[in-house]
Amino acid sequence: GQNIDQPTEMTATEGAIVQINCTYQTSGFNGLFWYQQHAGEAPTFLSYNVLDGLEEKGRFSSFLSRSKGYSYLLLKELQMKDSASYLCAVRAGSYIPTFGRGTSLIVHP
Amino acid sequence: GAGVSQSPSNKVTEKGKDVELRCDPISGHTALYWYRQRLGQGLEFLIYFQGNSAPDKSGLPSDRFSAERTGESVSTLTIQRTQQEDSAVYLCASSLEGSQGGKETQYFGPGTRLLVL
Repeated sequence: GQNIDQPTEMTATEGAIVQINCTYQTSGFNGLFWYQQHAGEAPTFLSYNVLDGLEEKGRFSSFLSRSKGYSYLLLKELQMKDSASYLCAVRAGSYIPTFGRGTSLIVHP
Repeated sequence: GAGVSQSPSNKVTEKGKDVELRCDPISGHTALYWYRQRLGQGLEFLIYFQGNSAPDKSGLPSDRFSAERTGESVSTLTIQRTQQEDSAVYLCASSLEGSQGGKETQYFGPGTRLLVL
């Protein structure tokens, strides 16, 4: 199985930059996903990494280091609407991603 | 349809009753997943359907839980003799092709919020 670890909660200021880390232990790694989930809503896809390096998409970037079992999601120019839970999910050896518990991000003025 | 739909959106039931939850995946998506999310927790995998292959039921927590899928369309998740511990949001997701792995994004439905009294 996979062991996925994320911080439970983070706070940041509007306009700032925040980095949400995800570490995992697995064999047969086959991709890592980040999802955003607003309270009471379904998760929505943010990013996918399967090779080492940084993937940038607007204000959001995701980084992966397979050798370290480590990923981070970087959110720039934070907005109040970015307050949500951010879920890291790892696919390994099969087709079913395993989700971490999520990081609750609170953005304050 | 435009996205994954689930019904009912909310369900309140009494302990011991059976409930049936429905998921309509995005048309053309061959892979369908059910997850459970307890309050403040991550997503817990329940079951996976891929085309006509036998479903992966490895995540079902007990024999009170079962699911079916008709071809590559609607799926129903049934919980028999519900317990208070079954209270959670049940999320359904679909993707184009699950068995190849890779960048097959899961699209989630809005979920069914189940409360067992």
